[in-house]
Amino acid sequence: NAGVTQTPKFQVLKTGQSMTLQCAQDMNHEYMSWYRQDPGMGLRLIHYSVGAGITDQGEVPNGYNVSRSTTEDFPLRLLSAAPSQTSVYFCASSPGTGEGGAFFGQGTRLTVV
Amino acid sequence: AQSVAQPEDQVNVAEGNPLTVKCTYSVSGNPYLFWYVQYPNRGLQFLLKYITGDNLVKGSYGFEAEFNKSQTSFHLKKPSALVSDSALYFCAVRDRGTYKYIFGTGTRLKVLA
Repeated sequence: NAGVTQTPKFQVLKTGQSMTLQCAQDMNHEYMSWYRQDPGMGLRLIHYSVGAGITDQGEVPNGYNVSRSTTEDFPLRLLSAAPSQTSVYFCASSPGTGEGGAFFGQGTRLTVV
Repeated sequence: AQSVAQPEDQVNVAEGNPLTVKCTYSVSGNPYLFWYVQYPNRGLQFLLKYITGDNLVKGSYGFEAEFNKSQTSFHLKKPSALVSDSALYFCAVRDRGTYKYIFGTGTRLKVLA
C-alpha cells in the first residue's frame, strides 16, 4: 500500500516564487490535512478538507491555498513564497470521525531563500 | 481553548531502563487519544490510541500508555528502553465526532547506550 504520498521531498524556492506541494492518498479517506512542523512548535494545521469540494482553514492558513477536487488528492499551493514559510510540511489523511488515527506522508522540506 | 501539553522537550534514559513521556490535555468530553513517533527525516507513525475501556493501552514496539481521566493525562511508557527508541514523540487528541487533531509540541527521547 502506498498510503499517503507527498512530492517533492525537498524544494528550494526564491522569495516570491510560487509552487504546489502534492499529496495523494489511496485509502479512500474522507479527511485530509496539511501541517507545518517547526522546531519547538510541534505540528500546526494549515488547511484541511472533510471531503471532495470542501476545504477550510486551520491555525496558520495565510500564504497558502488548497483545493480538493477528488477524494485522493489535496495539493497545497504557496502563492508567493516567503522565508517565514521555510519549514517541513506534512500531509495527513484519516478515515473520518471514528476511531481511526491519521496517516502521514513522508514530508516536504521547503527552504525559501 | 483545547490544548495538549508535553511538558518535557527532551527525555534522556539509559538503555534497559523504563521510560515515560508525559502528556496532558485540555479537551472537553471524552476525546480519542493518540501517540505518534517521528524518526529523523520521516513522517509521523502511529504508535497507539485510547478509545475506551482499559486505561492501559498497548501499542507498537513494546510501548504502552496509561490513560488517567481525573488527571487528564495520557503518558507513554516502555518497561525497557532501546537505543532504537530514540526519536521525537507526539501526543495528539481528537474530539469524538470530529476530524481535527490537536498535537502537542513533541518530546525528543534519547536512549543512551
